[in-house]
Amino acid sequence: DAKTTQPPSMDCAEGRAANLPCNHSTISGNEYVYWYRQIHSQGPQYIIHGLKNNETNEMASLIITEDRKSSTLILPHATLRDTAVYYCIVSNSGYALNFGKGTSLLVTP
Amino acid sequence: GAVVSQHPSWVICKSGTSVKIECRSLDFQATTMFWYRQFPKQSLMLMATSNEGSKATYEQGVEKDKFLINHASLTLSTLTVTSAHPEDSSFYICSATGTSGRPSYEQYFGPGTRLTVT
Repeated sequence: DAKTTQPPSMDCAEGRAANLPCNHSTISGNEYVYWYRQIHSQGPQYIIHGLKNNETNEMASLIITEDRKSSTLILPHATLRDTAVYYCIVSNSGYALNFGKGTSLLVTP
Repeated sequence: GAVVSQHPSWVICKSGTSVKIECRSLDFQATTMFWYRQFPKQSLMLMATSNEGSKATYEQGVEKDKFLINHASLTLSTLTVTSAHPEDSSFYICSATGTSGRPSYEQYFGPGTRLTVT
């Protein structure tokens, strides 16, 4: 699996958009970009994934650059419950996920 | 709602005993289940991949005779930690990916099992 690089931590004010970047310069053509998050002492939660196109669901938006070497997860209106570790992972569909260190997002009142 | 359950959610056992952790997919058939463990302040590390009806594939450095994995049905996989020692204390998490009823690209994670070996 390709490796990803994420900032170790970020802060965001409640109600504002949280933009979490991820670099994956060695991604291969058939690998997807997945985002998961883990709230303390819980199992990871799927957020969103994409291959080439930008994606949006009820939780977040995923912006993937045209060269696919980086992406940004956007939480449009962060709440305190969005405080978690966010993992950007590149992988083939159905394969095990290689979790890096992720970004610890702190949403503040 | 949650689609993968784990039991127990936490367990304390004495050194030298064995502990079994169950992972169930509740509303879909899981052709593949993965077992991860997570030490404090660290990320999840893949231990093994389990396909229904087949022997599990273990990651390098994970002892297959110590961590016994059984995936006998499409909805249940078990991880047995044999002769547990304090260094096996960790957060064990399973995930499942399946066929009917769920997209194959998405892995569904259980809530995790906290194991403490005294």
